Amino acid sequence: GAVVSQHPSRVICKSGTSVKIECRSLDFQATTMFWYRQFPKQSLMLMATSNEGSKATYEQGVEKDKFLINHASLTLSTLTVTSAHPEDSSFYICSARSGEGDTGELFFGEGSRLTVL
Amino acid sequence: GQNIDQPTEMTATEGAIVQINCTYQTSGFNGLFWYQQHAGEAPTFLSYNVLDGLEEKGRFSSFLSRSKGYSYLLLKELQMKDSASYLCAVSDSNYQLIWGAGTKLIIKP
Repeated sequence: GAVVSQHPSRVICKSGTSVKIECRSLDFQATTMFWYRQFPKQSLMLMATSNEGSKATYEQGVEKDKFLINHASLTLSTLTVTSAHPEDSSFYICSARSGEGDTGELFFGEGSRLTVL
Repeated sequence: GQNIDQPTEMTATEGAIVQINCTYQTSGFNGLFWYQQHAGEAPTFLSYNVLDGLEEKGRFSSFLSRSKGYSYLLLKELQMKDSASYLCAVSDSNYQLIWGAGTKLIIKP
């Protein structure tokens, strides 16, 4: 199947710093990528939909100035957590849809565990 | 509102069969997905159903009844490595994925 690579897998940072997480589709072009957040023992929470060449669409309650998303190419989307605080510590996962239209299979990156001290 | 219900936790024995149910109420329907997620890892795709009936893929099968808003994931010949959370997700009329909270499956020897 298609491969989505996410980097870094783990990151620890100090409060107040910014952290960038990359999501790459390695063997297919993804016009749309999704960013999720997952708290322990809870399901995935969609944060935003990232569209290549345009602004991301954020879900209600997600601060767009806090979580900056850039989808500069068909194979790369980045999520930057700005001025991170301990409450931002979480597991962040990206996914990309393969194939045409909106019903293709979703492939997930490996996830990035962010710990803010 | 939109809602996906699945049991929080299930326990089964190695070598046995287990069925994980999922019921949904969504605004529109464009398919139902099942994902497997091991602790600390990202979900991996198991199945996609958009028409009524049973889809079989090796030891895993998924069933859908759109009129009942119901799906199940059937796991046969359970192995210890099948211990994981199983997530049910429905694509609604806007092709947004609505996620269930997941069912934690515990396999005992």
